[in-house]
Amino acid sequence: SQQGEEDPQALSIQEGENATMNCSYKTSINNLQWYRQNSGRGLVHLILIRSNEREKHSGRLRVTLDTSKKSSSLLITASRAADTASYFCATDAGASGSARQLTFGSGTQLTVLP
Amino acid sequence: SQTIHQWPATLVQPVGSPLSLECTVEGTSNPNLYWYRQAAGRGLQLLFYSVGIGQISSEVPQNLSASRPQDRQFILSSKKLLLSDSGFYLCAWSGQGAVGTQYFGPGTRLLVL
Repeated sequence: SQQGEEDPQALSIQEGENATMNCSYKTSINNLQWYRQNSGRGLVHLILIRSNEREKHSGRLRVTLDTSKKSSSLLITASRAADTASYFCATDAGASGSARQLTFGSGTQLTVLP
Repeated sequence: SQTIHQWPATLVQPVGSPLSLECTVEGTSNPNLYWYRQAAGRGLQLLFYSVGIGQISSEVPQNLSASRPQDRQFILSSKKLLLSDSGFYLCAWSGQGAVGTQYFGPGTRLLVL
């Protein structure tokens, strides 16, 4: 079953606007990660937020984590056409010492219109 | 730096034919290795993972199998493909540390006809 579920499934915005994507999950986690996938390509890791962190920034990306609500959000500021891609959240809920498995959500398809 | 390779990039196979997809990692030792399948417009489904040579864990029962004959080589196989095996297959690796960031290959698109 999918641990992470993204919302919305699809998002279309104008270049320069901000894009916000949300992710909900079901169990306790060690960390939550966001990945990007361009059409027909592999996934690229964007940012990781640990369970004891509430907010993290990386360039134009801002991620928040609310463990009480089991949710996370990814904000892309000042979007560009090149940001058009699918964005996935993934949760790491593995036990210490085990192989680190990630459970991926179904993704948000972001389209940034020039 | 680490790199991960997958081949072939695209494959069209008839139903009932065998399959072998290969994934290799460079620039790291003793990685965890993963095979995922992605249906069109969907998320990733973990098929197999491996923490070492010859050690394979299966997440989903199916007609696929995986092998790890060398530390940085991961192979996905099938003896007889089904139509439902069509999809985008992604290989990934992660380090043995506590943080589970995964690094993905470019993927193989498989079409079973």
